[in-house]
Amino acid sequence: QKEVEQNSGPLSVPEGAIASLNCTYSDRGSQSFFWYRQYSGKSPELIMFIYSNGDKEDGRFTAQLNKASQYVSLLIRDSQPSDSATYLCAVLSGGSYIPTFGRGTSLIVHP
Amino acid sequence: NAGVTQTPKFQVLKTGQSMTLQCAQDMNHNSMYWYRQDPGMGLRLIYYSASEGTTDKGEVPNGYNVSRLNKREFSLRLESAAPSQTSVYFCASTTGFNQPQHFGDGTRLSIL
Repeated sequence: QKEVEQNSGPLSVPEGAIASLNCTYSDRGSQSFFWYRQYSGKSPELIMFIYSNGDKEDGRFTAQLNKASQYVSLLIRDSQPSDSATYLCAVLSGGSYIPTFGRGTSLIVHP
Repeated sequence: NAGVTQTPKFQVLKTGQSMTLQCAQDMNHNSMYWYRQDPGMGLRLIYYSASEGTTDKGEVPNGYNVSRLNKREFSLRLESAAPSQTSVYFCASTTGFNQPQHFGDGTRLSIL
C-alpha cells in the first residue's frame, strides 16, 4: 500500500513569512513529485513538480526533494493572504499512471 | 485553450436516478481519470483510462461505470444513485507516465 502523508494543519503563518509544507511517502520507487494548490470550492491546480534530489525554485515557490529520507517539501517565501489554500502532495512511482495523493495541508496566511 | 471541461457543474438527483458526468480534454492527453473528493477523505480514484480503448478500476469503483468514448472524452455514469455518492467529482488528464495531472473544475453532485 503506497502512502503519502501530510499534516492536515491548519498551518498559520503571518503575511511575509516563509511557509513550509511537508510530505512523506512510503514507496522507495517513487520518481515524480507534484504539489497542487486547491482553493476552497475549486479544483486542484499544479504549482510545482520535481523529479531529482535537491531544490527546484519557481518564483516564490521552492520544492525540495530528499529521496533517501523519502520526503518532499514546499516552501513559500513572502507568503500572501492569497496563498491561503489547501496544498496537496502527489507522488508517482516509476512507470505508473496512478499518483498517490496526500490528504492535503491547509495553509492560512494572516495579515 | 479550455483544458479539461466537465459538465454539468452542479446536479441534484433523487436516490435511484441515473446520470452521466461528461469530461472532455483538448490537450491531446493519453490518460484520463475520475476522482471523487469528500471532506477529510482526500482525492479517491474511481476509474482511469490509461489510453484510448482501455479503462481500469481505481480505489472506489463500486456503483460507477465509465466509457472512454474517444481520445478526448471520458464519461462517468451512475446507474442508480445513492446518497453515499454525494460528492465533488473531478476529471483529470495527463500525457502519460510520470507526468502531472490537469484537473477540470469539478461537478458538485447531491443525491437526496
